[in-house]
Amino acid sequence: EPEVTQTPSHQVTQMGQEVILRCVPISNHLYFYWYRQILGQKVEFLVSFYNNEISEKSEIFDDQFSVERPDGSNFTLKIRSTKLEDSAMYFCAADPGGDTQYFGPGTRLTVL
Amino acid sequence: KQEVTQIPAALSVPEGENLVLNCSFTDSAIYNLQWFRQDPGKGLTSLLLIQSSQREQTSGRLNASLDKSSGRSTLYIAASQPGDSATYLCAVTIKAAGNKLTFGGGTRVLVKP
Repeated sequence: EPEVTQTPSHQVTQMGQEVILRCVPISNHLYFYWYRQILGQKVEFLVSFYNNEISEKSEIFDDQFSVERPDGSNFTLKIRSTKLEDSAMYFCAADPGGDTQYFGPGTRLTVL
Repeated sequence: KQEVTQIPAALSVPEGENLVLNCSFTDSAIYNLQWFRQDPGKGLTSLLLIQSSQREQTSGRLNASLDKSSGRSTLYIAASQPGDSATYLCAVTIKAAGNKLTFGGGTRVLVKP
């Protein structure tokens, strides 16, 4: 199965700090996504990204969140001022333009 | 708004028994449905994808069926093994490539040796 990688695997931060989560999707994939999973809850869609712009975002994805693909390879999720409730696993996914989304191993974000 | 539900939330079976995991969705206008496996603290591994025009997909000991009109899918795992212990998630999309997945809450499976 194609591999999506994410760094860091675990990020601990203080409330109010900015964090950047990084993803390296499969190189020939076209669509990229961020999802999150709060402990004990469902996996939730945050945002999808295609052709260097956001194609869809959820109500969770407010002004505190942003995404970009600065160098054509890495795909990042930035949270400007973290809150306690941002603590979750964040998953990146990539899609070659077919039907299957391939997920990375996730970044566990802990906000203290 | 699409809602996806998985029942039961947890399941414990002895090794060798067949597993039956259920997934239901409220809006039958789906494009496809995927089953994933999630190990504790890990990412999601895609197991099977069923297009809305298909009735079932098979991979090894895994078989997934889809009844789009009734909003249901079932994942069967034959002859369960302790290594099958994990959480199984189903997710649906409502259109082609580039569309978000809407997930169920998962079924946590424990296969006892």
